[in-house]
Amino acid sequence: DGGITQSPKYLFRKEGQNVTLSCEQNLNHDAMYWYRQDPGQGLRLIYYSQIVNDFQKGDIAEGYSVSREKKESFPLTVTSAQKNPTAFYLCASSISGEAFFGQGTRLTVV
Amino acid sequence: EDQVTQSPEALRLQEGESSSLNCSYTVSGLRGLFWYRQDPGKGPEFLFTLYSAGEEKEKERLKATLTKKESFLHITAPKPEDSATYLCAVISDNYGQNFVFGPGTRLSVLP
Repeated sequence: DGGITQSPKYLFRKEGQNVTLSCEQNLNHDAMYWYRQDPGQGLRLIYYSQIVNDFQKGDIAEGYSVSREKKESFPLTVTSAQKNPTAFYLCASSISGEAFFGQGTRLTVV
Repeated sequence: EDQVTQSPEALRLQEGESSSLNCSYTVSGLRGLFWYRQDPGKGPEFLFTLYSAGEEKEKERLKATLTKKESFLHITAPKPEDSATYLCAVISDNYGQNFVFGPGTRLSVLP
């Protein structure tokens, strides 16, 4: 089945720790995105990538990093510099307009 | 700066009670408007794309329409399984391939 797979579904981070969220797609889409969703707010763009080996900062990139070494993969690292990382993280891919989303990763700082 | 607002923030309907959700946008050069459904703890599910004023799309009990300033998602005779948060997003000339999302409308349909 074609789709976007995010893992893990739940992730717990200790203070000062970096964590990496996985996003894999087999839709052959060029564009991939990472969004953060907080209660009562819309999705906010963290990073996006239009092609392999290229990515751009979104509206809230501080404290996050990404890589795009393969078309299928777009992992997101939440670094210790992100002071309020507890949120629901969504990965998406797109071609010709419509974006298709993974099932999300809920990150909690403990 | 592109902006997308949605109203109401939350809506409670009785089963069978039809209503509409609103998505208002202020963008420079609309390329497309998208509706998504999101269930709690899950990723958004694509519903519709609208590209130009006057366009309409339908799927089961849902119908999306578009004007130059807003879009409506009409829900006819809703069922409890229609309960979800409905998100609106736009792509415009300002942001290329990037989506600007509204905050969503949380719909509850009571049996």
